[in-house]
Amino acid sequence: DAGVTQSPTHLIKTRGQHVTLRCSPISGHKSVSWYQQVLGQGPQFIFQYYEKEERGRGNFPDRFSARQFPNYSSELNVNALLLGDSALYLCASSSGPSSYNEQFFGPGTRLTVL
Amino acid sequence: AQRVTQPEKLLSVFKGAPVELKCNYSYSGSPELFWYVQYSRQRLQLLLRHISRESIKGFTADLNKGETSFHLKKPFAQEEDSAMYYCALGATGTASKLTFGTGTRLQVTL
Repeated sequence: DAGVTQSPTHLIKTRGQHVTLRCSPISGHKSVSWYQQVLGQGPQFIFQYYEKEERGRGNFPDRFSARQFPNYSSELNVNALLLGDSALYLCASSSGPSSYNEQFFGPGTRLTVL
Repeated sequence: AQRVTQPEKLLSVFKGAPVELKCNYSYSGSPELFWYVQYSRQRLQLLLRHISRESIKGFTADLNKGETSFHLKKPFAQEEDSAMYYCALGATGTASKLTFGTGTRLQVTL
């Protein structure tokens, strides 16, 4: 297993555009979480999905949305991009929904908004 | 509200010296604390968690509820310990939301 995979690796967008980031969890993992990591900061929780249902949402505006598919992969969508959305977006998968379950992180997608 | 504080952005020690990376947290419930590590050009990975009370790569961390701290310690630093370390707080029984600190870069020099 290659671990958690994310695509694309890098992305450059302009203000006002929208973006879709993708994540494939480790085989057998049913939980996917998304984090935003701004330069110089720790990762900040955006969403968690488990069994295709939203289980948690962080303090992000409605421009951020996500979904999980029947194969447990996930997409993170961001509309009306702002300069401040430039960050590394991390996906993490785990076997279960709670924080007891170890989260395995992907390499991230680096989003630059110009 | 959950909060994690790592007061040092950079900690530089000599090889063989003791290491202590500080972490303080704020949470009204029963906390779950973790240390994550990111080595150069690698992904973020779990180093240890307070519930398992084990030593990983010579590192230990004890949860002190009275001082709301979860400091990471190692008696003798090695070059390969150089990395970015993040302390993280999970909320018991809820979603797998982790609240991370800002991280401390550990630099071990000869």
